[in-house]
Amino acid sequence: SQQGEEDPQALSIQEGENATMNCSYKTSINNLQWYRQNSGRGLVHLILIRSNEREKHSGRLRVTLDTSKKSSSLLITASRAADTASYFCATDKDYKLSFGAGTTVTVRA
Amino acid sequence: NAGVTQTPKFQVLKTGQSMTLQCAQDMNHNSMYWYRQDPGMGLRLIYYSASEGTTDKGEVPNGYNVSRLNKREFSLRLESAAPSQTSVYFCASSPIQGSPLHFGNGTRLTVT
Repeated sequence: SQQGEEDPQALSIQEGENATMNCSYKTSINNLQWYRQNSGRGLVHLILIRSNEREKHSGRLRVTLDTSKKSSSLLITASRAADTASYFCATDKDYKLSFGAGTTVTVRA
Repeated sequence: NAGVTQTPKFQVLKTGQSMTLQCAQDMNHNSMYWYRQDPGMGLRLIYYSASEGTTDKGEVPNGYNVSRLNKREFSLRLESAAPSQTSVYFCASSPIQGSPLHFGNGTRLTVT
């Protein structure tokens, strides 16, 4: 069963705007990871946030984690056409990753 | 500099046929995984190998077998393919369990 569920399922934004997507999960976790998948390719790891961390940054990415609400968010700032992809959250419980169904982001030029 | 390599990229099977999906990584990773990706379902873990010599079932192991041939290679076998196994299969590896995964580009399998 899917541990993480992303919201929204799809998102369309203008280049330069910010994109925010959320992930909710059901049980306690060791860490939460975000991945990107371009069409027809494998997933690429973006960022990992541990259960004792609340916020993490990597370039134009900002991830937050609220373990009390069992939720995480991924913010992409100043989006570019190259950010068009599907984004997945994955929760690590007992060293096995469980993926959500993903958010498809389209960045319009 | 290849990372995780999967072969073949595409395969069409008839119901009841068997085949083996190959995966190799050149990053000296200890852990390897097989996932399947279906529309609207995300990725589901089929089998994993925490280290050379060990394999364990994931969320959806029925109908599959795996072999950790050596530290580099982890194969997935379908003994008698069924239409429900039509999917995109991804192999991944990580230095140790719990660390970020490195994915191959997938094998798109269609069972008719």
